[in-house]
Amino acid sequence: DVKVTQSSRYLVKRTGEKVFLECVQDMDHENMFWYRQDPGLGLRLIYFSYDVKMKEKGDIPEGYSVSREKKERFSLILESASTNQTSMYLCASTLGQGSTPNQPQHFGDGTRLSIL
Amino acid sequence: AQSVTQLGSHVSVSEGALVLLRCNYSSSVPPYLFWYVQYPNQGLQLLLKYTTGATLVKGINGFEAEFKKSETSFHLTKPSAHMSDAAEYLCAVTFSGYSTLTFGKGTMLLVSP
Repeated sequence: DVKVTQSSRYLVKRTGEKVFLECVQDMDHENMFWYRQDPGLGLRLIYFSYDVKMKEKGDIPEGYSVSREKKERFSLILESASTNQTSMYLCASTLGQGSTPNQPQHFGDGTRLSIL
Repeated sequence: AQSVTQLGSHVSVSEGALVLLRCNYSSSVPPYLFWYVQYPNQGLQLLLKYTTGATLVKGINGFEAEFKKSETSFHLTKPSAHMSDAAEYLCAVTFSGYSTLTFGKGTMLLVSP
């Protein structure tokens, strides 16, 4: 089974801090994704990456950046945390462009981030 | 742009009753469709996915979904609800080789004894 591991289940940070959320997958997947999930808004894509050192903006990239130095690891960075970034963050991975588009994404258990 | 609409943010059923969760998509090209389930404070787990050719798709935990191109729908059903089915259900669609998913806003299924 694919394992996607997010470094923290719960995290509390202060406004203005730089926050790092880490995600590691063990199935050699090319594509990795970061979403945030908010009540009434569903899952929204922040950033994704289809290869090492490659990144693409999703629907809501403002206030976030990402890093992918190794294939298995995809980090989400909140440059200067704000209260409106309090949310559930989910990481996912899937096979790359050479595979058929119906490959499912595999999700981690999420990080519930609170910015005070 | 692709989009997904899930009708009803909450659906309540009694244990043993039929479960029907609705999902409609908008697309001008053939879609690839997924249903995921999310239990409280957990990530998403794949229930089933639509692969071209088979309009009735069977998934885990007794769920199934039927792809109806004429209605642009992919509704999720289960003949008899169980208490353990209480969770949030999310429908998602993709069209591209990058596998970028667009999710509906989710439907919370509540099961009463």
